[in-house]
Amino acid sequence: GAVVSQHPSWVICKSGTSVKIECRSLDFQATTMFWYRQFPKQSLMLMATSNEGSKATYEQGVEKDKFLINHASLTLSTLTVTSAHPEDSSFYICSATDRKNTGELFFGEGSRLTVL
Amino acid sequence: SQKIEQNSEALNIQEGKTATLTCNYTNYSPAYLQWYRQDPGRGPVFLLLIRENEKEKRKERLKVTFDTTLKQSLFHITASQPADSATYLCALGIQAGTALIFGKGTTLSVSS
Repeated sequence: GAVVSQHPSWVICKSGTSVKIECRSLDFQATTMFWYRQFPKQSLMLMATSNEGSKATYEQGVEKDKFLINHASLTLSTLTVTSAHPEDSSFYICSATDRKNTGELFFGEGSRLTVL
Repeated sequence: SQKIEQNSEALNIQEGKTATLTCNYTNYSPAYLQWYRQDPGRGPVFLLLIRENEKEKRKERLKVTFDTTLKQSLFHITASQPADSATYLCALGIQAGTALIFGKGTTLSVSS
């Protein structure tokens, strides 16, 4: 149980285009979803927290107009990187909590974004 | 300032030995601490969670300790195997339902 599916697993795009990454909880309702970014050999850095039906809360330094997060249902959150630039190339990982609220996070497989 | 540090970037041990990884934190008061395993190009996978009022947790060959006075957690893998080679992440949880704060990880290599 508690599977989080992330898609696509990798994407290459041209500079200036927008890329959407989907995160789905397959067998549970995700009350809260978190989006992290990870650069090589670095820690996972929290970008934003989203609750179903409400606006995402962004961490300091994360541009909300650049990284659009939508959490339309209890099983789906999307991250759209708008007008992507090479410096946005990174590994984006979503995670979710379930209603049990044990503290454990369930992670997706991650999406590797490369902006040319 | 707030910090979470894992003792070394890399740890190399021989098969069959016990691997011990350290996680120290500063200026946090976590309600719980978690350890995750991450393989290259993959998302983290949950291993163990230990709460602030617990001293030790075990799961098969894994053992975690949590000392809130020392602000430190130790993560042990006994009888290590090459398949245990991965990056292990320590993460602090301040409150259930909120995001975890991650360390940089320690990359463990177990040689046969």
